[in-house]
Amino acid sequence: QKEVEQDPGPLSVPEGAIVSLNCTYSNSAFQYFMWYRQYSRKGPELLMYTYSSGNKEDGRFTAQVDKSSKYISLFIRDSQPSDSATYLCAMREYSSASKIIFGSGTRLSIRP
Amino acid sequence: NAGVTQTPKFRVLKTGQSMTLLCAQDMNHEYMYWYRQDPGMGLRLIHYSVGEGTTAKGEVPDGYNVSRLKKQNFLLGLESAAPSQTSVYFCASSFSETQYFGPGTRLLVL
Repeated sequence: QKEVEQDPGPLSVPEGAIVSLNCTYSNSAFQYFMWYRQYSRKGPELLMYTYSSGNKEDGRFTAQVDKSSKYISLFIRDSQPSDSATYLCAMREYSSASKIIFGSGTRLSIRP
Repeated sequence: NAGVTQTPKFRVLKTGQSMTLLCAQDMNHEYMYWYRQDPGMGLRLIHYSVGEGTTAKGEVPDGYNVSRLKKQNFLLGLESAAPSQTSVYFCASSFSETQYFGPGTRLLVL
């Protein structure tokens, strides 16, 4: 079993919809949780990160962490065609800055 | 600032050939990483460095070597390429939780 599981999609939604992207994990020691966006043939770029449980909001993006369920989510409001990309979740333990475990990514397509 | 750059962008190798991938960063970051990305596998850490002159193995280090002679550069070497090393290679650097990735090198081993 992988430490981090992520539905690969593809996920296709109409413009303006709310998008929900999710990951589950098995390691209860994970404390830092990150979401990266990767456009086709580009490197990943960090969208958001959260420490421990709770919500974090940045513009149209909201990251949620539920450590009791070992489940993290990224919500995108008012989705735009420019949000079409692959979204990777990532996480690490508090004391292991170098060991970041990535999900395999969910491909998202926003239809105009 | 150029951020993180990678050279070359694309390369085709024959089995058994060797090559070096170069990563450079201009953000004065201590940490640097090499990942490979394969379909359905996500990003997997090959080697990393926590500072000039240091290197350490990641999740999938076999068949690769690295060197960090200068703080801004991190080299990834393939001594004898194999078809299983066909992949997209990403370099990243960081100073905290934020990793900055390069644009990637697409490597095809025939």
